[in-house]
Amino acid sequence: EVQLVESGGGLVQPGGSLRLSCAASGFTFSNFWMSWVRQAPGKGLEWVANIRDNGNEENYVGSVEGRFTISRDNAKNSLHLQMNSLRADDTAIYYCTRYNYHDSLDSWGQGTLVTVSS
Amino acid sequence: DIQMTQSPSSLAAYVGDRVTITCRASQVISSFLSWYQQIPGKAPKLLIYAASILQSGVPSRFSGSRSGTDFTLTISSLQPEDFAIYYCQQTYNTPHTFGGGTKVEIK
Repeated sequence: EVQLVESGGGLVQPGGSLRLSCAASGFTFSNFWMSWVRQAPGKGLEWVANIRDNGNEENYVGSVEGRFTISRDNAKNSLHLQMNSLRADDTAIYYCTRYNYHDSLDSWGQGTLVTVSS
Repeated sequence: DIQMTQSPSSLAAYVGDRVTITCRASQVISSFLSWYQQIPGKAPKLLIYAASILQSGVPSRFSGSRSGTDFTLTISSLQPEDFAIYYCQQTYNTPHTFGGGTKVEIK
């Protein structure tokens, strides 16, 4: 069974940093592209970033480019999101997701809440 | 960025009704279109990928179709467990943008 378990969320002040992690199990992690998707309270889904299976390509939504960095450790079956210069509008539940071979997000974690507030 | 315009933003329907939700892409995205269902408080769940292929385990009352840059999710006979928010997403170009969502409520 595919499992994605996020951790690392919490309360952080504006301008601060946070590192999210996602532990993957139940599949060959190194064979799949992965991504982060977020959802602000009471709002819709927003795609944040993705990373190639071998880690050699990353893509970001414009609002986080230069502030967030997605990375992965295929030896440890883990995905990460380093978030710097956090702003109030980064407040959201962050989901770790897996792409299937048809470029759809077929597995989602339970999410981790990031709150940016003073 | 590719804009995904979803309509309606909400609808109310009876159990047993046929429900149709539409998503329009701002440019050609071929069939790189997925549909997700989100029950409030839960993570989204993939329903349809490649515009019309049903994800394993998803009931056959769900279907998807494409006409150019217009995409449709149809629920043939709405069931109580289908009351949720539905999102489309394009994965043709990054950023892989989502539609604004359609909330399906009980009438």
